[in-house]
Amino acid sequence: EVQLVESGGGLVQPGGSLKLSCAASGFTLSDSAIHWVRQASGRGLEWVGRMRSKPSKDATAYAASVTGRFTISRDDSKNTAYLQMTSLKTEDTAVYYCTRVLVTPFDYWGQGTLVTVSS
Amino acid sequence: SYELTQPPSVSVSPGQTARITCSGDALPKKYAYWYRQKSGQAPVLVIYEDTERPSGISEKFSGSSSGTMATLTISGAQVQDEADYYCYSTDSSGGVFGGGTKLTVL
Repeated sequence: EVQLVESGGGLVQPGGSLKLSCAASGFTLSDSAIHWVRQASGRGLEWVGRMRSKPSKDATAYAASVTGRFTISRDDSKNTAYLQMTSLKTEDTAVYYCTRVLVTPFDYWGQGTLVTVSS
Repeated sequence: SYELTQPPSVSVSPGQTARITCSGDALPKKYAYWYRQKSGQAPVLVIYEDTERPSGISEKFSGSSSGTMATLTISGAQVQDEADYYCYSTDSSGGVFGGGTKLTVL
């Protein structure tokens, strides 16, 4: 059974850092692209960034709102993807989902992890 | 930056057909994907590549695309179809979601 499980969310102060994990099971993570999508309370879905399945100069891409602050990586030995978030702002407060693209975009999603940026 | 525009809300009576639109300049060249999200849950893919329905998704869901507009059609909408619906497409730098449409069936 395909599963994606996010973890690592929590409360962080503005300017702080947090690293989210996305553990995959039921498939090989490196065979797919991994995307991160976030949703602020009562708001719509916002695409955050992605990492392609194959290494390339444009393997990663990010939304303008997080470019330079967020970094996506992957540990194939752990079948896990990560979202490193730095210089966090209050507007980064949201539920963060990881989702995959194997054949069709976002056929499986995790349950989400809540990140709250507040002093 | 690239944008996809959806109506904030659509309302129909039970049994009627609901149509949710998504407009974007790149849609003539890029596929549209549709996701349903019920309150407190992760999104679910209901239409991919403009018109294709994933296995396990009811035949009441269909998609179409013409020019700069993609449309999600829900035939015979029922109360259980109430949800937020999002379109998604790609651009040169990554991906973009529409603002979402709240479907009310009453």
